[in-house]
Amino acid sequence: DVVMTQSPLSLPVTLGQPASISCRSSQSLVHSDGNTYLNWFQQRPGQSPRRLIYEVSNRDSGVPDRFSGSGSGPDFTLKITRVEAEDVGVYYCMQGTHWPYTFGQGTKLEIK
Amino acid sequence: EVQLVESGGGLVQPGGSLRLSCAASGFTFSSYWMSWVRQAPGKGLEWVANIKQDGSEKYYVDSVKGRFTISRDNAKNSLYLQMNSLRAEDTAVYFCGYDWYHWGQGTLVTVSS
Repeated sequence: DVVMTQSPLSLPVTLGQPASISCRSSQSLVHSDGNTYLNWFQQRPGQSPRRLIYEVSNRDSGVPDRFSGSGSGPDFTLKITRVEAEDVGVYYCMQGTHWPYTFGQGTKLEIK
Repeated sequence: EVQLVESGGGLVQPGGSLRLSCAASGFTFSSYWMSWVRQAPGKGLEWVANIKQDGSEKYYVDSVKGRFTISRDNAKNSLYLQMNSLRAEDTAVYFCGYDWYHWGQGTLVTVSS
């Protein structure tokens, strides 16, 4: 199985400051169709997961442009340019290239 | 408006069975792969199973293979997860979703004696 390793697991950030979360995959995430199915999800306390980024760097509809995704195998990054209070929650990377699909352990973002 | 509403969760004894349902509306259900993802209390997300649009392909995480069965009824816009031989470690909130973008609110399954 593909192991997705996130760091850090805890991320205290001051409001208005940037934040960055790393995700490393144990195998190439390039699918046979040429796409790289690396997603980023946000889960706010008590809520369902919400996808922010798909295929490494594509922002989903309604996602603020302060969120961005980048990288190429095996290292991927989610960046927030200026953290706001509503960004508190747990962030997960997930690969959808190889069965079984796998998530990272999650990074808990909190306001310092 | 897209809606995914899970039901069927509850308390079950180890070794027991439950059938989860997910009622879908607001999109063309038969056009999408559907997924189940779960989250144990205080833990991270875990993908459980996927099913192709016509039900011809199904994939499972190893820990549920042989015990869980994903299915769908496109005429009823419904997704199912039949869970047999349940274990304590299956205790989780189960979410149904599609396109990895739309998710339900989840249904809690508790396996305990």
